[in-house]
Amino acid sequence: GAGVSQSPRYKVAKRGQDVALRCDPISGHVSLFWYQQALGQGPEFLTYFQNEAQLDKSGLPSDRFFAERPEGSVSTLKIQRTQQEDSAVYLCASSSTGANVLTFGAGSRLTVL
Amino acid sequence: KQEVTQIPAALSVPEGENLVLNCSFTDSAIYNLQWFRQDPGKGLTSLLLIQSSQREQTSGRLNASLDKSSGRSTLYIAASQPGDSATYLCAVWGGMLTFGGGTRLMVKP
Repeated sequence: GAGVSQSPRYKVAKRGQDVALRCDPISGHVSLFWYQQALGQGPEFLTYFQNEAQLDKSGLPSDRFFAERPEGSVSTLKIQRTQQEDSAVYLCASSSTGANVLTFGAGSRLTVL
Repeated sequence: KQEVTQIPAALSVPEGENLVLNCSFTDSAIYNLQWFRQDPGKGLTSLLLIQSSQREQTSGRLNASLDKSSGRSTLYIAASQPGDSATYLCAVWGGMLTFGGGTRLMVKP
């Protein structure tokens, strides 16, 4: 596609529910990143994929967070048993091989009540 | 671990003023530095990208400088306008993109 597409744009979940956020990167982009942006803060790194391999997941805040990219294109960020502190905008970004520039999606805003 | 700091955290200026936003980073081993704009509830818009070998980049009323050795960058906005009101984020690339906390700018008419 022409850009990075994320869905849903907005998600409201009750505490304890599981949520899944989807990212469609630019076609052919090898690298895919997930970031978490809390209100009033800068984005914080969560995890990174190169093709289907998850090379870095050091930013995932707990084992309730899980990300996958099984075919090396679309990625899903799953949050189990959501808590209020998970409320944030989740940004996805992708880049092509060897590029040092990321293209960001519009983000998925998660609100946990 | 790379840390990026932006000062000030918030800034309010009257229309027409020239202003400077500051960004500092702890690890000078970066490939590039990027300034983004973020409007409330929106995604990130890339403003300027400075490669590690460059000293500055200009786009319209915006000028960004990079001093890699001292770990500093500035974003200069000339003749500010109310439409410039947004959060400005600085980010450095060193294998991944590391962001600062942003500067929230308000330009008053």
